[in-house]
Formats: sequence, C-alpha cells, structure tokens
Amino acid sequence: EAQVTQNPRYLITVTGKKLTVTCSQNMNHEYMSWYRQDPGLGLRQIYYSMNVEVTDKGDVPEGYKVSRKEKRNFPLILESPSPNQTSLYFCATRLSMNTEAFFGQGTRLTVV
Amino acid sequence: GESVGLHLPTLSVQEGDNSIINCAYSNSASDYFIWYKQESGKGPQFIIDIRSNMDKRQGQRVTVLLNKTVKHLSLQIAATQPGDSAVYFCAESLSYKLSFGAGTTVTVRA
Repeated sequence: EAQVTQNPRYLITVTGKKLTVTCSQNMNHEYMSWYRQDPGLGLRQIYYSMNVEVTDKGDVPEGYKVSRKEKRNFPLILESPSPNQTSLYFCATRLSMNTEAFFGQGTRLTVV
Repeated sequence: GESVGLHLPTLSVQEGDNSIINCAYSNSASDYFIWYKQESGKGPQFIIDIRSNMDKRQGQRVTVLLNKTVKHLSLQIAATQPGDSAVYFCAESLSYKLSFGAGTTVTVRA
C-alpha cells in the first residue's frame, strides 16, 4: 500500500528543545515537501526537496531545517522550537510536476 | 507571492442537493490544479485534478471546472452525502510548487 508515514502524530514540547519529525514514503517519489496548517491560512509550504541532497525553501522556512539523505526519508528539524511553531504539520510527496501530492496523516505539534 | 483563495469559508448543503465550491487562483502561469478533501484528523486526500489545457473534468459524483480567463476553479459535488462533510481545498501548481487556499468547510444537513 502506498503510504506517507509521519512520526510522531502528536508532540508537546518546551521552547528551545530540539525536535525532529520524521517522514517516510514507499512510493519512490523524488519530490517531497513539508507544510504547516494553521486555522484560516490553509497549508503553507515550509521546505521542499526535488531529490536526494536537493532541498529548497518554501514560503515559511524560518525556524526549520530539513535533510534529504535518502530518497524515502525527509525529516523536519526544529532546532529551537518556539510557541509560534505550534501547528499541524504535513509531509507530502509527488511523483513529478503536474501530478497529485500524497499527504501523510499529520503531526500536531504544541510548543509551550 | 502566489496565493489561492476560496470564495467562502463555509458552505451548508442539504443532503441530496448539489454542492458548488469556488476558488480563485492568482497565478495565470499555473498549469495544474487539484481539489483536496480533508476530514477531521486526517491529511488532505486527492479528489480530482485538471490541467490548464482543459476546462472541465468529471469524476465519480464530482466535476471540476476551470476558467482561465478569470482564474477561477470550481468543484461540483452531485447528490451531496453526509460523508462529504469536510474541508475542501483547491491547489494550484506551477512546476513543483503547490499552493493552497484557506479552504471551505462543507457541512451536510440531514
């Protein structure tokens, strides 16, 4: 079954404590991205990767890092989380341009 | 920057009626459009897509219309069912960038 798997699904953390949200896909897609979803704002792109070792900033990259060492994994790193990063995060993959994006189940992050 | 907006944040529909959800996109260069459905606690799920060289595409109970002249996209759902209650997003794509609007919450009344 084609899947995009995020972990953890829920996380409560304190300001400044580094955390990583993992994303893994089994569809052999080259393109992966991270979004955050906030009420009234829809989904906003944080970072994206077009292939292994190729990453670039999306619309709201401040405070986030990513890496793409393997095709299947695309972790999102918050080096020093702040309360304004409290949000619902989604990882997505696409086979190529002009194809649908497949989303993970989401990670609800709360930073206190 | 690019943005995609939906005309109405909420839509209430009687079960069995047809639903129409509208979306205005901003980038005339966008060449691919997608509608997603998001149910509570889940990630967005693909409903239907359309390329810029088309103006209409039909799926099972859903139809997407694209009007490039006014940069407008709509999703029509036939015979709306309780299971159609969700948040609906339109998205526009240019190259690998996929931009989403704020979404429309559809509530189906029994």
